[in-house]
Amino acid sequence: KQEVTQIPAALSVPEGENLVLNCSFTDSAIYNLQWFRQDPGKGLTSLLLIQSSQREQTSGRLNASLDKSSGRSTLYIAASQPGDSATYLCALTSGTYKYIFGTGTRLKVLA
Amino acid sequence: SAVISQKPSRDICQRGTSLTIQCQVDSQVTMMFWYRQQPGQSLTLIATANQGSEATYESGFVIDKFPISRPNLTFSTLTVSNMSPEDSSIYLCSVERSGDTQYFGPGTRLTVL
Repeated sequence: KQEVTQIPAALSVPEGENLVLNCSFTDSAIYNLQWFRQDPGKGLTSLLLIQSSQREQTSGRLNASLDKSSGRSTLYIAASQPGDSATYLCALTSGTYKYIFGTGTRLKVLA
Repeated sequence: SAVISQKPSRDICQRGTSLTIQCQVDSQVTMMFWYRQQPGQSLTLIATANQGSEATYESGFVIDKFPISRPNLTFSTLTVSNMSPEDSSIYLCSVERSGDTQYFGPGTRLTVL
């Protein structure tokens, strides 16, 4: 059974710092992995999608990597800003429509 | 991308009543998904709604409690029936598009007293 873990559960950093969020999964047979952002009480915003044949994806200050052999994905945020404060969720699918979500990392960027 | 709207955005309901949540997508999609996010928890898939067929429910969720309709390719409803405080959650619908990317609606925040 696939399990998805995100560590740390919460993180506070000063503005301007570069940071890495981690997502670990137990079954390497994944189809794709997606990173989302969720603001308090709101829905999810898609950030990056990495397909199983890809190693990384970039969008602006965000870079997501995928290492299936080690069961790990990371989301790198460069030059963090207070507006980046949110919960970040990773989710993956093994080839069906069904996504399994991690527990999330609550990020707070201090001005 | 996909533009998804949900109604209502939030509601406070009494125990034993039912609430129907609507999800509207800006263009046709084959499958729509309904998720629940309990307080402090991550998302759990409730069911998948296909147009023209019965919804497919995940383990732990049943049609009597969460009936779903999918009358066309841009719309779906989820009803939370006979509600109890344990049903207090954010309910989200989503669709898949653009090469397997999932897009989510803004969610419906339900509080059951």
